[in-house]
Amino acid sequence: SQQGEEDPQALSIQEGENATMNCSYKTSINNLQWYRQNSGRGLVHLILIRSNEREKHSGRLRVTLDTSKKSSSLLITASRAADTASYFCATSYQGAQKLVFGQGTRLTINP
Amino acid sequence: SAVISQKPSRDICQRGTSLTIQCQVDSQVTMMFWYRQQPGQSLTLIATANQGSEATYESGFVIDKFPISRPNLTFSTLTVSNMSPEDSSIYLCSVRHRGGDTQYFGPGTRLTVL
Repeated sequence: SQQGEEDPQALSIQEGENATMNCSYKTSINNLQWYRQNSGRGLVHLILIRSNEREKHSGRLRVTLDTSKKSSSLLITASRAADTASYFCATSYQGAQKLVFGQGTRLTINP
Repeated sequence: SAVISQKPSRDICQRGTSLTIQCQVDSQVTMMFWYRQQPGQSLTLIATANQGSEATYESGFVIDKFPISRPNLTFSTLTVSNMSPEDSSIYLCSVRHRGGDTQYFGPGTRLTVL
């Protein structure tokens, strides 16, 4: 399967702490995208990082990409209760039009 | 970006019936996709909806079970046919603009089959 893997599967931290989620994939990619999903609703696009990029920031989010290790990480700084959600990475593989999703990380922020 | 709406947002259906889900986008898009998310699972691509031609299905999904239409660049439908409880899932429409990399998702349709 080309599906990526995410770890941890579940993460529970205190409000104000930083949360780090990791994603690994198997073959060369065009880009990698991170999404958030609240309580089984639609996916909200967070950030896209291309294969020639190593790091991107958006507000409290920082995404890194290491193509040599075929891995990416999503860091959420100064977490808030509203960040409680499932987070998915999705990869666009070279030569393919579709996105392949990882299994997701369920993040819980405790007040 | 893209604003995507789906109808219905949720439904409860009886075994053996069919449900058609609609996806409407606020702008013309090149690519439209349908995904399934089974309870507690990640997203799996069902098919790519092609304008004016048959959809391209992923392994494990067939047209008889999941017929798809895409009459224009802003609208698509997915039908879940002859439903069984195993079809209980969230079905999501997704789009991408021509020349763009970012893929956007609709709010999803939560289907429960009894």
